[in-house]
Amino acid sequence: EVVLTQSPDFQSVDAGEKVTITCRASQNIVRSLHWFQQKPDQAPQLLIRYASQSMSGVPSKFRGSGSGTDFTLTINGLEAEDAATYFCQQSDSLPWTFGRGTNVEIK
Amino acid sequence: QLQESGPRLVKPSETLSLTCSVSGDSFTNYYWSWIRRPAGKGLEWIGRIHSYGNIFYNPSLKGRVAMSVDTPKNQFSLSLAAVTAADAAVYYCARDPAGSGSFDYWGQGILVTVSS
Repeated sequence: EVVLTQSPDFQSVDAGEKVTITCRASQNIVRSLHWFQQKPDQAPQLLIRYASQSMSGVPSKFRGSGSGTDFTLTINGLEAEDAATYFCQQSDSLPWTFGRGTNVEIK
Repeated sequence: QLQESGPRLVKPSETLSLTCSVSGDSFTNYYWSWIRRPAGKGLEWIGRIHSYGNIFYNPSLKGRVAMSVDTPKNQFSLSLAAVTAADAAVYYCARDPAGSGSFDYWGQGILVTVSS
């Protein structure tokens, strides 16, 4: 199966700063990489699909990029409401797999 | 909307059974998945089903999992046999458009505890 290595595990940033989360796949997954945001006691929400396609209603401060094996989620201008765990997930080959998640804390 | 239901407490070695009820039309147009998140851990995809009979289970669950669908009721179900403490988790059902793996709608999740 495709292993997704996500980093960092945890990041604490000041409000207004930028966060960059990376996701590396164990094989070429082209652009079949999606990003989710999960807040405490809520279901995950799809932010970005196919590496860079923003879902409707997702603020433009969330930006996805990458292809092949290396992908990035960038969050600009962090606000308190962005505190969450962010996961990457691949759908190039079954079984679908997730990264371990990045816990983003706002100082 | 998706809504999970089922027992929240399961004894070790018994079978976990959950149902996801889907509101709205076009139930037959999508794949439907189960995903779980154990406390303090990441997300694990369990498997998917389509009302036309296409099913795929995550091999990591080693034959313990089964899914079924009840199209007239717009429901699909999960059974996980021989549960252990490692199966305790929040279980989510999710919609998978065209089997793309980009889960665009999720249920709120149901916490299942494994304990005697």
